[in-house]
Amino acid sequence: DTGVSQDPRHKITKRGQNVTFRCDPISEHNRLYWYRQTLGQGPEFLTYFQNEAQLEKSRLLSDRFSAERPKGSFSTLEIQRTEQGDSAMYLCASSLDVGGNIQYFGAGTRLSVL
Amino acid sequence: KNEVEQSPQNLTAQEGEFITINCSYSVGISALHWLQQHPGGGIVSLFMLSSGKKKHGRLIATINIQEKHSSLHITASHPRDSAVYICAVHPNTGNQFYFGTGTSLTVIP
Repeated sequence: DTGVSQDPRHKITKRGQNVTFRCDPISEHNRLYWYRQTLGQGPEFLTYFQNEAQLEKSRLLSDRFSAERPKGSFSTLEIQRTEQGDSAMYLCASSLDVGGNIQYFGAGTRLSVL
Repeated sequence: KNEVEQSPQNLTAQEGEFITINCSYSVGISALHWLQQHPGGGIVSLFMLSSGKKKHGRLIATINIQEKHSSLHITASHPRDSAVYICAVHPNTGNQFYFGTGTSLTVIP
């Protein structure tokens, strides 16, 4: 257990539905990251927060994706109008500082869009 | 083109063998991470390197900044080492990490 929690662990949904995932980082970590990992590939960066501010978003993050970290603690990632191509493992990580400290990853949320 | 390349993609070893996984990258970096991912998706960070060599138990990680290359070694491999090992780099500019596609290791008893 790395101290980063993600919920749910698995989500099965029908195409067109909205889904929301939650990440609870290590409490003193001010940076929080979302990644997406498809089968056989390494994680791909989606977005990251410094406290409550969303500082960077990948081009992978289409308009259907939105992430929030309202109080600088937990974060949510919402996908609207899900598509089959959204099926992946969504990973959250937290750290104190990108250049210096290690990112701690959650176990991920596996999304299957039918 | 991926900024981080790993080799081999898949590796099968007998228990007790010495294992080496390689990582090459094409950007200037401030740090390199070796990550371990077990079936089910959980990722654990093994090492963070910016120079030289680090050792933790049976795991050794080395980095050559000039050659843009890092290696992860496992001595006296064990079936519980079976996992995907991922190399990730933090570039000198920007805030995201670049990940390799991982090396899937299977250690047979």
